Amino acid sequence: AQKVTQAQTEISVVEKEDVTLDCVYETRDTTYYLFWYKQPPSGELVFLIRRNSFDEQNEISGRYSWNFQKSTSSFNFTITASQVVDSAVYFCALSLSPSGSARQLTFGSGTQLTVLP
Amino acid sequence: DSGVTQTPKHLITATGQRVTLRCSPRSGDLSVYWYQQSLDQGLQFLIQYYNGEERAKGNILERFSAQQFPDLHSELNLSSLELGDSALYFCASSPGDRNTGELFFGEGSRLTVL
Repeated sequence: AQKVTQAQTEISVVEKEDVTLDCVYETRDTTYYLFWYKQPPSGELVFLIRRNSFDEQNEISGRYSWNFQKSTSSFNFTITASQVVDSAVYFCALSLSPSGSARQLTFGSGTQLTVLP
Repeated sequence: DSGVTQTPKHLITATGQRVTLRCSPRSGDLSVYWYQQSLDQGLQFLIQYYNGEERAKGNILERFSAQQFPDLHSELNLSSLELGDSALYFCASSPGDRNTGELFFGEGSRLTVL
């Protein structure tokens, strides 16, 4: 069975600091997808990024960047120059084989990020 | 706006009662997923429907049931409600076989059982 672990329950930073959210996953499958979702105080879940198991290239999108390392089964997320609006719960998630239509996500327990002004 | 619509947004009811949560997926999406988010269990997958048929089942209680209708909207029925069923229930949708896994979530239905 697959598992996603987010060891950091809560993180507080001061605005403009960089912050990295950790994610470690477990799966026996060789084909899988990893995701980050954001849940702001309003409650909805917002998709941020998807990475497949064959693509270990790191990605940068504006102030966001992701570091995927299969060797350590980690998919970490960094926010550069954090802003108060980044305050939210961030979830890492795993989806198995892209074949077929059963694509349910297994979520980590989430990391509450608070960015202080 | 994800394009997934859930109603009602908030619901307060008593133990022993039955409620129905409704979800309209994004236009064109064939798969609908239900998730439960509670403080102690986190985000738990309940069930998935694909084009009207049950496709995968997670940690769904026997008191809960769901279905997907021909117009692709879905309903989650929760019966004999207990205090522990209080949670945020999310519906999500995805295109189906050819998508790469990301789900698009509705805003959730917050259920409070008193």
